[in-house]
Amino acid sequence: GAVVSQHPSWVICKSGTSVKIECRSLDFQATTMFWYRQFPKQSLMLMATSNEGSKATYEQGVEKDKFLINHASLTLSTLTVTSAHPEDSSFYICSARDSGVPRETQYFGPGTRLLVL
Amino acid sequence: GESVGLHLPTLSVQEGDNSIINCAYSNSASDYFIWYKQESGKGPQFIIDIRSNMDKRQGQRVTVLLNKTVKHLSLQIAATQPGDSAVYFCAEEDAGNMLTFGGGTRLMVKP
Repeated sequence: GAVVSQHPSWVICKSGTSVKIECRSLDFQATTMFWYRQFPKQSLMLMATSNEGSKATYEQGVEKDKFLINHASLTLSTLTVTSAHPEDSSFYICSARDSGVPRETQYFGPGTRLLVL
Repeated sequence: GESVGLHLPTLSVQEGDNSIINCAYSNSASDYFIWYKQESGKGPQFIIDIRSNMDKRQGQRVTVLLNKTVKHLSLQIAATQPGDSAVYFCAEEDAGNMLTFGGGTRLMVKP
């Protein structure tokens, strides 16, 4: 199956700092990537849809100025958590869909665990 | 602390038995359904999918059943193994290609 990677796997940072998370599709091109957040013992909640070459689409309640998304190429999307606070501590997961396959399923990255002290 | 609503339902089965995990979906316009397996600290892993023009699809040791009348999806795992222990999520997608996840079920396999 298609492989999606994320970097870093773990981040521990002080409150107020900004953290960038990378999501890469390794063996396919992805016009669209998705960013999810998952709190302990909960399901995945979609934060935003990242579109290559255009602005991201954010879900209701997600602050676009707080969670900056850049999808600069067909294989890379980045999520930057700006001025992170302890309540932003969570498991952030990206997914990507193969642009060349219609209605192809989303493949997920391994996730990035963020802990804000 | 956690509130009651945040506890995942748990299915506990004996190794070698069959497992059935159920999911109710909400959007009658959804036409694509996927089961994902998520192990602790990892991202969801695709298991099997089914489109709305089918009511059953089989994979290796797994079967997905779709009942559109009652908006119900199930995942059957044959001869459950310890490595199957994980949280299982169903997800639904409509023509807008947005994926919506269910709440998840924790499968525990007893040796």
